Amino acid sequence: KNEVEQSPQNLTAQEGEFITINCSYSVGISALHWLQQHPGGGIVSLFMLSSGKKKHGRLIATINIQEKHSSLHITASHPRDSAVYICAVRSDSGGSNYKLTFGKGTLLTVNP
Amino acid sequence: NAGVTQTPKFQVLKTGQSMTLQCAQDMNHNSMYWYRQDPGMGLRLIYYSASEGTTDKGEVPNGYNVSRLNKREFSLRLESAAPSQTSVYFCASSWGADTQYFGPGTRLTVL
Repeated sequence: KNEVEQSPQNLTAQEGEFITINCSYSVGISALHWLQQHPGGGIVSLFMLSSGKKKHGRLIATINIQEKHSSLHITASHPRDSAVYICAVRSDSGGSNYKLTFGKGTLLTVNP
Repeated sequence: NAGVTQTPKFQVLKTGQSMTLQCAQDMNHNSMYWYRQDPGMGLRLIYYSASEGTTDKGEVPNGYNVSRLNKREFSLRLESAAPSQTSVYFCASSWGADTQYFGPGTRLTVL
């Protein structure tokens, strides 16, 4: 069974700080997703990656397949970045397996 | 485009009552999913439909049934609701293994 662990569980930062959220998983994967959920809100996909690094605005996601680890970085953090960030992985079992296994999420609070 | 829509947004049921959660997507996606989200736990897959005409159990299917009515619609039915089914339910859709798009969620309370 694929386990997905995120750290930290909770993170409080001051506006402008550089943020890193980590995700580790236990089995081989074909893709890793980072998602964002604002309090009381819906879930939005930020990145899907299977190797290397992706960047969108102030957000950067990296993955190391050999180490089974991914990080989500937020540069110049802002209070509107306050949300739960969720890591999810799709195993590489093949076939029409589109199922994701999710981490429990990291609650980020950015204070002004 | 509305994306993924879910109805209702909120629902309160008594133990033993039945209800159907509706989900529709207008992105021509072939795959659709039902998840539940509980405090302190990650999203868990209830059922999914890889393509029109197929459905498969996920991690927590007990107490639920699904219908893939057509390519756009995927409904989740609780035949006899239990307090353990109190949760927030999310529907999602995707084109194969690509990015999943989520609906706004349904907050269900079973008394």
